[in-house]
Amino acid sequence: DTEVTQTPKHLVMGMTNKKSLKCEQHMGHRAMYWYKQKAKKPPELMFVYSYEKLSINESVPSRFSPECPNSSLLNLHLHALQPEDSALYLCASSQGSQGFRGELFFGEGSRLTVL
Amino acid sequence: GEDVEQSLFLSVREGDSSVINCTYTDSSSTYLYWYKQEPGAGLQLLTYIFSNMDMKQDQRLTVLLNKKDKHLSLRIADTQTGDSAIYFCAERGTGANNLFFGTGTRLTVIP
Repeated sequence: DTEVTQTPKHLVMGMTNKKSLKCEQHMGHRAMYWYKQKAKKPPELMFVYSYEKLSINESVPSRFSPECPNSSLLNLHLHALQPEDSALYLCASSQGSQGFRGELFFGEGSRLTVL
Repeated sequence: GEDVEQSLFLSVREGDSSVINCTYTDSSSTYLYWYKQEPGAGLQLLTYIFSNMDMKQDQRLTVLLNKKDKHLSLRIADTQTGDSAIYFCAERGTGANNLFFGTGTRLTVIP
């Protein structure tokens, strides 16, 4: 099983809504990531969790709140978003240990539209 | 920070070879990767190369690395219409727990 599963695939929300994106992997990976991708652009790193601890926060606004309940799950809680936050949100995982190849395995993404 | 550059577009005829180029600035890069992204989908890892190698072949894919010039290329032999996608190179620095992605190259295969 080499899958990273993201739900929902599509989400439309208003600026006052609270919603969550979910990500799950069962490859035993210990690092999980959230990336944001705007149209025709490369993915931009938002957060990294390593061994269930937040290790990187790339100065993301507080209206995005990550959570790692266990080593297989990663959530991204959304509140009071702006229309410019509309994007494809990609979750990824990797083995997370130094000395490994370190490749990231990506989910299919959650396409978010903020009205 | 790291800077990874790619040309934006490439068009080839079906059956020809495609060569997608990438330049990077971080001389401490340990691994370099090629990812493929089809419309509306996530990123699929195609192949990778370790920084002490200069070539890697995997079926129709050939990766060439010139570490001196910090230049990476991906050659796709016998390009098919199903290869049409955006291709991202990415690099990982020493001790880094993250990848830095290039700007992406949109490959269009003309039947």
